[in-house]
Amino acid sequence: DQQVKQNSPSLSVQEGRISILNCDYTNSMFDYFLWYKKYPAEGPTFLISISSIKDKNEDGRFTVFLNKSAKHLSLHIVPSQPGDSAVYFCAATPNTGNQFYFGTGTSLTVIP
Amino acid sequence: NAGVMQNPRHLVRRRGQEARLRCSPMKGHSHVYWYRQLPEEGLKFMVYLQKENIIDESGMPKERFSAEFPKEGPSILRIQQVVRGDSAAYFCASSPLKYVTEAFFGQGTRLTVV
Repeated sequence: DQQVKQNSPSLSVQEGRISILNCDYTNSMFDYFLWYKKYPAEGPTFLISISSIKDKNEDGRFTVFLNKSAKHLSLHIVPSQPGDSAVYFCAATPNTGNQFYFGTGTSLTVIP
Repeated sequence: NAGVMQNPRHLVRRRGQEARLRCSPMKGHSHVYWYRQLPEEGLKFMVYLQKENIIDESGMPKERFSAEFPKEGPSILRIQQVVRGDSAAYFCASSPLKYVTEAFFGQGTRLTVV
């Protein structure tokens, strides 16, 4: 049962434009959400997170938006850079959770 | 401050052999998590350990898999009598806090069963 879903396996964006990666979840107990970035043959690297008490969190070029009523979050990268090309995983956890629930990932390619 | 260290990076085992995967958490982190990534899938939780204790093993297969995090030394994920379906990337993560809000991942061990 996939509780966190990333329905777009891949995304291509021109350098300098905005990249929008989407994530949906089904478990209403989730209240903390994270995005991880992963290069081939490496482990996931933490990118940005958001608590359910917020609807937006921004860190430099990266912004995460949370829509609790729709059980949807998105990651915006602007402007996109070729070095952003990687697989992005959305993850969620309940407040007292012991684990992350990961989506299947979206492979982002930023075209120079 | 060194990151999460996993070894080996690559491990090849024949069917029926044992695989031992090691994970040294970041300095000061006493919480360790193991995840598995099968081809074309996301990361799946396996087990959560603190020093000398298994806290949550709800994601571990009931047979052949075991994990430990001794008082001294790295955490070990052990797979006995490996089968082809165990071929995957195994990632370890560590965090300083009891309730995970951010975890730092190692580079993973890619297990291939031939």
